[in-house]
Amino acid sequence: DADVTQTPRNRITKTGKRIMLECSQTKGHDRMYWYRQDPGLGLRLIYYSFDVKDINKGEISDGYSVSRQAQAKFSLSLESAIPNQTALYFCATSDPRLAGGRTDTQYFGPGTRLTVL
Amino acid sequence: DQQVKQNSPSLSVQEGRISILNCDYTNSMFDYFLWYKKYPAEGPTFLISISSIKDKNEDGRFTVFLNKSAKHLSLHIVPSQPGDSAVYFCAASALGGSQGNLIFGKGTKLSVKP
Repeated sequence: DADVTQTPRNRITKTGKRIMLECSQTKGHDRMYWYRQDPGLGLRLIYYSFDVKDINKGEISDGYSVSRQAQAKFSLSLESAIPNQTALYFCATSDPRLAGGRTDTQYFGPGTRLTVL
Repeated sequence: DQQVKQNSPSLSVQEGRISILNCDYTNSMFDYFLWYKKYPAEGPTFLISISSIKDKNEDGRFTVFLNKSAKHLSLHIVPSQPGDSAVYFCAASALGGSQGNLIFGKGTKLSVKP
């Protein structure tokens, strides 16, 4: 079984709809992240969470919100989806205890392809 | 303004030859650099990393070189294999890596031809 899972894998929705993307991990990592990837662009950080009570905005948090329901679950919501949020969304985890306090080595889920019409 | 740049969107190499993927950065606060590999319909997977206190790190067929004065790093794959065909992302982090922010380049698509 995959260590980091994302649901759904594909989603098509309409402008103005509320969407939730879910991420679960069995790695036991405290830190979780949400990224988006657009065609021809690298991954950009949306939100990250160091533990259940610590949530931080990333580079492009406008239009998104997150919820860390448990150590293993981190959800990304689009309250009112718009077409330019069409992208690939990736969840990732890391554990600084594995790398001397560093969180750079992140483990990614398979991604969710979201299309907003 | 892009802080991590991969100026070659694609690279084609013959099987058995060397693949060299390049990455430039602008932020002198970056102190750790990583390469991720991504196959279609999968998430990126960590490949190799290097700290700014080193200029080379090797792991099997993969070697990363760091030139701090030029703010440039490169990934060498020797010998290249068809299974290496993927998109390669260069990433960088600062502040001792404690903030969790990885800055990614746009990626280079490597095609290794049999």
